[in-house]
Amino acid sequence: QKEVEQNSGPLSVPEGAIASLNCTYSDRGSQSFFWYRQYSGKSPELIMFIYSNGDKEDGRFTAQLNKASQYVSLLIRDSQPSDSATYLCAVNLSNTGNQFYFGTGTSLTVIP
Amino acid sequence: KAGVTQTPRYLIKTRGQQVTLSCSPISGHRSVSWYQQTPGQGLQFLFEYFSETQRNKGNFPGRFSGRQFSNSRSEMNVSTLELGDSALYLCASSLGSGGDTQYFGPGTRLTVL
Repeated sequence: QKEVEQNSGPLSVPEGAIASLNCTYSDRGSQSFFWYRQYSGKSPELIMFIYSNGDKEDGRFTAQLNKASQYVSLLIRDSQPSDSATYLCAVNLSNTGNQFYFGTGTSLTVIP
Repeated sequence: KAGVTQTPRYLIKTRGQQVTLSCSPISGHRSVSWYQQTPGQGLQFLFEYFSETQRNKGNFPGRFSGRQFSNSRSEMNVSTLELGDSALYLCASSLGSGGDTQYFGPGTRLTVL
């Protein structure tokens, strides 16, 4: 079983819609969770991080964490064509430092 | 503030050779992590260095090694290259408090022939 799993997609949504991306992880001791966006040919860039159960909002993005269900999600409201990219979920498995494990990513296409 | 830099950006090597990649973190960042990205396996954690010491390690063979210098710059070495080592190698830096935000460099594209 992989440490972090995501639906690979592709996921297509119309412009202005809500895109919902999901991620599950296997290590119950994981403490910190991240969403990165990666455009084709570019390196990953951070969108959001979340440490506590519940929702965290930043502009059009909302991250949701449920540690009991070992589930992290990212909602993108008012999706724009520029949001078309691969979204990577990452979980830090280390209690001392950084040992990030990434899902294989969900490809999102926003259709104008 | 300048971002994470990696050199070289592209490398072509042949099987059996060795290669050294370099990463300069964001100023003030003390943690450097290395990742291998391939289409089939995605982003895989290699190791993390903090204060010149390897603090965390992924599941890669001993052919993959690294080090960190007192100015936090890091190098990664791959010995006895195999065809399967062809990948994008990314480094990421963070302040180093653990579980903090990592910022990625542009990567080094390694091709093994």
